[in-house]
Amino acid sequence: AQKVTQAQTEISVVEKEDVTLDCVYETRDTTYYLFWYKQPPSGELVFLIRRNSFDEQNEISGRYSWNFQKSTSSFNFTITASQVVDSAVYFCALSFLTGNQFYFGTGTSLTVIP
Amino acid sequence: GAVVSQHPSRVICKSGTSVKIECRSLDFQATTMFWYRQFPKKSLMLMATSNEGSKATYEQGVEKDKFLINHASLTLSTLTVTSAHPEDSSFYICGGRGLYGYTFGSGTRLTVV
Repeated sequence: AQKVTQAQTEISVVEKEDVTLDCVYETRDTTYYLFWYKQPPSGELVFLIRRNSFDEQNEISGRYSWNFQKSTSSFNFTITASQVVDSAVYFCALSFLTGNQFYFGTGTSLTVIP
Repeated sequence: GAVVSQHPSRVICKSGTSVKIECRSLDFQATTMFWYRQFPKKSLMLMATSNEGSKATYEQGVEKDKFLINHASLTLSTLTVTSAHPEDSSFYICGGRGLYGYTFGSGTRLTVV
């Protein structure tokens, strides 16, 4: 079974704090892709990152960073020095090389308090 | 990059009427398109997957006669909510799979009154 778990339903932080959003996935496939999307209040899904299962290098993009650990099946997302504009729902997702399934996690609602 | 255009962004309809939502891939050919439904403060639930020129594959619990999906071309898929009822009010998002990955539309907020 393929599954994506985001255990944190809601998180609130004060502006400028760092925050980590957890994502744990479950699959028996050896080739897969992991994603993070941001959904602001307007509703659209904003693509943040895609990683394939063979690339465990951590990635940093500005204030965003991602920690991919196959040993723990986790793909966590950290926002450094959070800003009010980071307030949104964040989804982790999983897809595969073959087939057409795209699995979203349950999402984490992040509120950054000014 | 790949863009998916979803229209309309918001629609209000009367109970009993049908509503069509369009999803277009603007600069790529989407061999597969997905339709998701999102309840308030909930995750995105996959409703169905459609391949161009063939019938959609619906997820368990989704009424195929209620939610008609057509994927007549590589750039257009439509979702028609037939005989809409207030409980169909929701946020619907489509997505397309092209050669290089997945792209999602901006969503349609449907309100049935």
